[in-house]
Amino acid sequence: AQKVTQAQTEISVVEKEDVTLDCVYETRDTTYYLFWYKQPPSGELVFLIRRNSFDEQNEISGRYSWNFQKSTSSFNFTITASQVVDSAVYFCALSEALRQESNTGKLIFGQGTTLQVKP
Amino acid sequence: DGGITQSPKYLFRKEGQNVTLSCEQNLNHDAMYWYRQDPGQGLRLIYYSQIVNDFQKGDIAEGYSVSREKKESFPLTVTSAQKNPTAFYLCASSLGGYTDTQYFGPGTRLTVL
Repeated sequence: AQKVTQAQTEISVVEKEDVTLDCVYETRDTTYYLFWYKQPPSGELVFLIRRNSFDEQNEISGRYSWNFQKSTSSFNFTITASQVVDSAVYFCALSEALRQESNTGKLIFGQGTTLQVKP
Repeated sequence: DGGITQSPKYLFRKEGQNVTLSCEQNLNHDAMYWYRQDPGQGLRLIYYSQIVNDFQKGDIAEGYSVSREKKESFPLTVTSAQKNPTAFYLCASSLGGYTDTQYFGPGTRLTVL
């Protein structure tokens, strides 16, 4: 069955430290999509990145970077020089096709990692 | 501005009452979704709709109902049959397929008194 595991429930760091959030997934599909979302205290999920299973290049966006490794089924997220505004719950998600004929999908979420960045 | 709106932000319900959560999007997306989030957990799919006048049950549809009469709107009714409705409800939309990114609204926090 498809599954996403975020083993770190809570992480606490001091501002300017680097931090890595782990994500491990399970899927039988050869084509799949992985996502990271940020949920600040306000509650809204903010999209951060989408990655398809055929693109294993690492991606960097400002202080954010993502390391996708199919060999270990992992899609880890690193924040460099963390800031207080990075404090949030971060979710990793796997997209699964619901109905082949319509290509409709659903997201399978991990449990989330709560990141607290202290000043 | 393009986006997804949900109302109300907070909702209180007495046991035995039905309540309806609103979700509207102006992104011209075909697909819309409802997820439920419980404390310390990830999101679980309640219902989804690929096109107008069509919707399907997700993983935890019991006690919920939806309609999709307009492309922009996908309201969720939490019925009295839902045994534990207190939760955070998030609506999302996407262009259509499972390859597309889902974008989320701000959520509605429902509390049963």
